[in-house]
Order: sequence, then C-alpha cells, then structure tokens
Amino acid sequence: DGGITQSPKYLFRKEGQNVTLSCEQNLNHDAMYWYRQDPGQGLRLIYYSQIVNDFQKGDIAEGYSVSREKKESFPLTVTSAQKNPTAFYLCASSPRPGGTQYFGPGTRLLVL
Amino acid sequence: SQQGEEDPQALSIQEGENATMNCSYKTSINNLQWYRQNSGRGLVHLILIRSNEREKHSGRLRVTLDTSKKSSSLLITASRAADTASYFCATDGTGANNLFFGTGTRLTVIP
Repeated sequence: DGGITQSPKYLFRKEGQNVTLSCEQNLNHDAMYWYRQDPGQGLRLIYYSQIVNDFQKGDIAEGYSVSREKKESFPLTVTSAQKNPTAFYLCASSPRPGGTQYFGPGTRLLVL
Repeated sequence: SQQGEEDPQALSIQEGENATMNCSYKTSINNLQWYRQNSGRGLVHLILIRSNEREKHSGRLRVTLDTSKKSSSLLITASRAADTASYFCATDGTGANNLFFGTGTRLTVIP
C-alpha cells in the first residue's frame, strides 16, 4: 500500500521546546517538501530536498530545520526560534522536482 | 513571491450548477496543476496542463491555460455536494525545482 504518511496528527509544543514532525514515503520519490499552511491561506514552502543528503531552504525556513538521511524520510524540526509555530504542516513527495506532488494528511501543531 | 492567486476567494453554488475558478501567475511555466484540499486534509492532485496545451479535460473537470495572460481556469461541471473543498493552482516556474501554490478558492456546493 504505497503512500506518504505524517505523524503525529496533532502535536503540542511548550514554550522553548523543539518538536519534530515525521514524514515517510514508500513511493520511491526523490523529491520531498515541507509546507506550512495558516488558516484560510495557501501553502508556503519551508524546505525541500531533491535527493538524499541534500536540502534547500524555501520561502520561510527561519526557525525550522530538516534532514534527509534516507530517501524515505524527511523529518521537520520546529525549533524554539520559531516564534509563531501554530499552523498546519504538510509534507509532500514528487518523482521529480517540479512534478506532481503527493501529499501526506498533515500535522496540526499547537502551542501550549 | 511567485505565488499565484485564485479568484474568487470563495464561491457558493447549488448542486448541479457549474463552478469556475481562475488562477493568475507571474512567471513563465512548464506546466500548471490544480489540486483539491478537503478541510483539515492534505492536497490531492486533480489535473496537470502543459504550457503548450490550451485545454484539458478529466471527467467533470475542464482546465484552460492562456500563457499570454498568465492565467488558467478550472471548470467543474454538474457540481455535487462532495465537491465542497478548497482548490489550489500550482505552477512550476521555468527552471524551478518546486511548485508555487496559489491562495486557493473555497468552493461550497449546497445540496
């Protein structure tokens, strides 16, 4: 059963805490992406990776970090430097950069 | 920002009517895509139209592309309540390694 999964579905962050959002795909896609979506808004690109061990900043990378140690996995860490982290986070993968993207179900991050 | 814009921001129609959404973008593209998002879910790819195509159909969906005006439209015919969702256009931008998503049109289909 191929697809892209994100966990957890909901995540709560305390002040000053780093949290990590998981994104896994078994579609054998090279490219993976992280987006942030605020209520009633479009998607803003945080980071993307075209290949293992390589990633680039998107439009709003400040306060976030990523790693791409395995083709299947692209975790996103929301650091304490991100002062307004409350949002819906979407992960996507694509067989090639700029191609059709396949999205996970999303993680909603809330601040306590 | 290369983000596109959809118009209208919100659209409410009766079941059975047609729904038309428009997308404008800023740069040259290789292709333009439309995605759908149900509330609180991830996006789902609907259709892709290449820059050398002017119209494309998929089931009840019809997409047009006018590269001279940097605009596209998505028509959903004979709408159903299940079509209620937000619809986003996305462009690749020539030479870009990612997609640029518009701000979305929120469609409500009233049964």
